[in-house]
Amino acid sequence: QKEVEQDPGPLSVPEGAIVSLNCTYSNSAFQYFMWYRQYSRKGPELLMYTYSSGNKEDGRFTAQVDKSSKYISLFIRDSQPSDSATYLCAIHAGGTSYGKLTFGQGTILTVHP
Amino acid sequence: EPEVTQTPSHQVTQMGQEVILRCVPISNHLYFYWYRQILGQKVEFLVSFYNNEISEKSEIFDDQFSVERPDGSNFTLKIRSTKLEDSAMYFCASSVRGDTQYFGPGTRLTVL
Repeated sequence: QKEVEQDPGPLSVPEGAIVSLNCTYSNSAFQYFMWYRQYSRKGPELLMYTYSSGNKEDGRFTAQVDKSSKYISLFIRDSQPSDSATYLCAIHAGGTSYGKLTFGQGTILTVHP
Repeated sequence: EPEVTQTPSHQVTQMGQEVILRCVPISNHLYFYWYRQILGQKVEFLVSFYNNEISEKSEIFDDQFSVERPDGSNFTLKIRSTKLEDSAMYFCASSVRGDTQYFGPGTRLTVL
């Protein structure tokens, strides 16, 4: 079983739609959950970070973590063409792991006008 | 806003040659990382570096790889004898406490 699984898509939505992106993970030791956005041939850009179950909101973005189900989500409201990118979930165990991130495959999102 | 920078943006080398990829992490950060991403694949952890030593490394990070922080600002990744399969994007990242990590724009390494 892969440590972090993410549907690679691609996902295509009209402008203004609500987008839901998801990851599952297998290791219950994972404690810190991040979402990154990556434009083509660029570095990952940190969008959201959380370490507890529940929701965290930042503007049009909401990160949701369900540790009991080992499931994390990123919701994008009122999606814009500029949101078109690959979205990566990334997780690490905290503690003595020194921050080694385990990434999902990434979901390719296209928002068309 | 402070950011991680990497040079060069693209490096082309012949198989068997040594390459050094350079990174300048965010100035008050204490944890430093290298990741790589082969085209179309996941971002993969290579190594973490804290307090002037390697704190963790992956199976990929074999004896051909080394990291160094030669001064107070630079962080380098050296590949001693490059192989075709080392062709990838290499990302440097840094973090204050080892949690949220900020990535550089990457160096595209092409091994011919």
